[in-house]
Amino acid sequence: KAGVTQTPRYLIKTRGQQVTLSCSPISGHRSVSWYQQTPGQGLQFLFEYFSETQRNKGNFPGRFSGRQFSNSRSEMNVSTLELGDSALYLCASRGDRNTGELFFGEGSRLTVL
Amino acid sequence: QKEVEQDPGPLSVPEGAIVSLNCTYSNSAFQYFMWYRQYSRKGPELLMYTYSSGNKEDGRFTAQVDKSSKYISLFIRDSQPSDSATYLCATDTGGFKTIFGAGTRLFVKA
Repeated sequence: KAGVTQTPRYLIKTRGQQVTLSCSPISGHRSVSWYQQTPGQGLQFLFEYFSETQRNKGNFPGRFSGRQFSNSRSEMNVSTLELGDSALYLCASRGDRNTGELFFGEGSRLTVL
Repeated sequence: QKEVEQDPGPLSVPEGAIVSLNCTYSNSAFQYFMWYRQYSRKGPELLMYTYSSGNKEDGRFTAQVDKSSKYISLFIRDSQPSDSATYLCATDTGGFKTIFGAGTRLFVKA
């Protein structure tokens, strides 16, 4: 069974640009969550999608957005990039029954210059 | 105040030591308590999962939850160099919004 796949793995952008990150969940998983990981703040919850609907949201500004497609693949977008957006962005999927287990991808490392 | 507080360390111990990792949380609605392990350049992986208060043991690992004091612990017995990683505590109300602590970096020296 293939794991969670995130693309791209690494990217460099400049301030003011926008970026789109992609996540393909484990087959059969309809819930996809996104997290931002930085050395100072740890793993911070961005949002969670289930069946193409945003079901949960964290405390991030509106520059951070996401969506989910009918095949459960998800994208997140960050507009007007700031230096502080440099981070590892992790995507995780889970099954319909909440067992506490999130299956993470290896992340997309974004550097903003 | 963060919903889940965790000392980021780093924590350095000799091989064979007992390791104690701890978190506190503020939301009494949290019902699910997890520990994830993250190796360098990898995504986190679930290590232990408990529901409500109590202890759970799996090999060298023991997870403890005390809901009365809002305290979560992970104990590692006979620690090995391969246990060197970042350990993240996590909680969930059951609403599919899992909140993580900052993670503690653990180094086990051979």
